[in-house]
Amino acid sequence: AQTVTQSQPEMSVQEAETVTLSCTYDTSESNYYLFWYKQPPSRQMILVIRQEAYKQQNATENRFSVNFQKAAKSFSLKISDSQLGDTAMYFCALQAGNTPLVFGKGTRLSVIA
Amino acid sequence: DAGVIQSPRHEVTEMGQEVTLRCKPISGHDYLFWYRQTMMRGLELLIYFNNNVPIDDSGMPEDRFSAKMPNASFSTLKIQPSEPRDSAVYFCASSFALSYNSPLHFGNGTRLTVT
Repeated sequence: AQTVTQSQPEMSVQEAETVTLSCTYDTSESNYYLFWYKQPPSRQMILVIRQEAYKQQNATENRFSVNFQKAAKSFSLKISDSQLGDTAMYFCALQAGNTPLVFGKGTRLSVIA
Repeated sequence: DAGVIQSPRHEVTEMGQEVTLRCKPISGHDYLFWYRQTMMRGLELLIYFNNNVPIDDSGMPEDRFSAKMPNASFSTLKIQPSEPRDSAVYFCASSFALSYNSPLHFGNGTRLTVT
């Protein structure tokens, strides 16, 4: 069975600063993928970034980057130059083998002006 | 493409009543998923379908919950009878395949409140 753990229920950051959201996972599969989704107050689920487990290079999408530590089964999300529009719930998710996405409980991020 | 369409957006009902949530997946997507979001448990997978056939319903909390997919363009999630602890946001999502290269597309969810 796959599990995803997000240990930070809530976080806050000052506008223009950098924040890192933590995620750990567990799977016995050798082939898997990791994702970060953003859920703003509108409830829309937006894919932010994804990482293939077999790739050593950390994925980057503009101000969003990940720190993928495969041996530690850690997949943290770094948001640089935080903006007010980054205020949202962030979910870490895992897809292993041919199984559906498994999500963590989420981290609520508030960006403060 | 209108995306995944869910209805209603909000539902308020009394305990004991039947509730039906509806979903129209993206045309051409072979997989449909029902997730439930709560503060305590985050996003949980309830059930998913492939080509209208239920594949895994192990996440359905109890017999009060049932889901159907009578055709490729429509699915329902029914709760009968509803209880206050069923209050949550229910998401429907669809994808072309069950793989990394086939992103999951979510609807905007139905917020269910059972009083």
